[in-house]
Amino acid sequence: QQQVKQSPQSLIVQKGGISIINCAYENTAFDYFPWYQQFPGKGPALLIAIRPDVSEKKEGRFTISFNKSAKQFSLHIMDSQPGDSATYFCAASRAAGNKLTFGGGTRVLVKP
Amino acid sequence: DVKVTQSSRYLVKRTGEKVFLECVQDMDHENMFWYRQDPGLGLRLIYFSYDVKMKEKGDIPEGYSVSREKKERFSLILESASTNQTSMYLCASSLRKRDSSTYEQYFGPGTRLTVT
Repeated sequence: QQQVKQSPQSLIVQKGGISIINCAYENTAFDYFPWYQQFPGKGPALLIAIRPDVSEKKEGRFTISFNKSAKQFSLHIMDSQPGDSATYFCAASRAAGNKLTFGGGTRVLVKP
Repeated sequence: DVKVTQSSRYLVKRTGEKVFLECVQDMDHENMFWYRQDPGLGLRLIYFSYDVKMKEKGDIPEGYSVSREKKERFSLILESASTNQTSMYLCASSLRKRDSSTYEQYFGPGTRLTVT
């Protein structure tokens, strides 16, 4: 039973294009939604995170959009660069909860 | 610079062997985690520790145990390795979250374990 469902599993985008990764969750008690980025041979690292009191958060070329009523959130990578090629994981946790529930991951390849 | 280190990057063990995976963090974090990472399944939590000698089962604890004798060190033990435990194992640490504030988990580079 996967509480956070992530799609697509893989994505190929041209340099300069937009990468979009979607996640859906079931547990309405979740209130913290981070995205982690993992390069080959490395552990995941926090990229950007959002709380449900805002509908969008932007950091540089990375934007999280959040739809509380639909229980969905997404990561947009604008002006995708070859250096963005990595695996991206969405995750969620409960208020004051110390555990994260991760989605299945999306492997993004940005072609030059 | 924060750092989580894992004892091995690659490990090959035989079925039935007892396997120890070690993780050390230098950030004085209360929480430590063990995950396994498999394609399409993301990261699944095996065990979690929120203090020395404290542990809590994650989503897939069967076949695993853990030990936390010191704050900075968290060990994952495969009592009798099986081929379905072939996977990438990731250790992480974080501060203890006491309210609804956001927080970050810091990950080690992972140990790729192959059980033959």
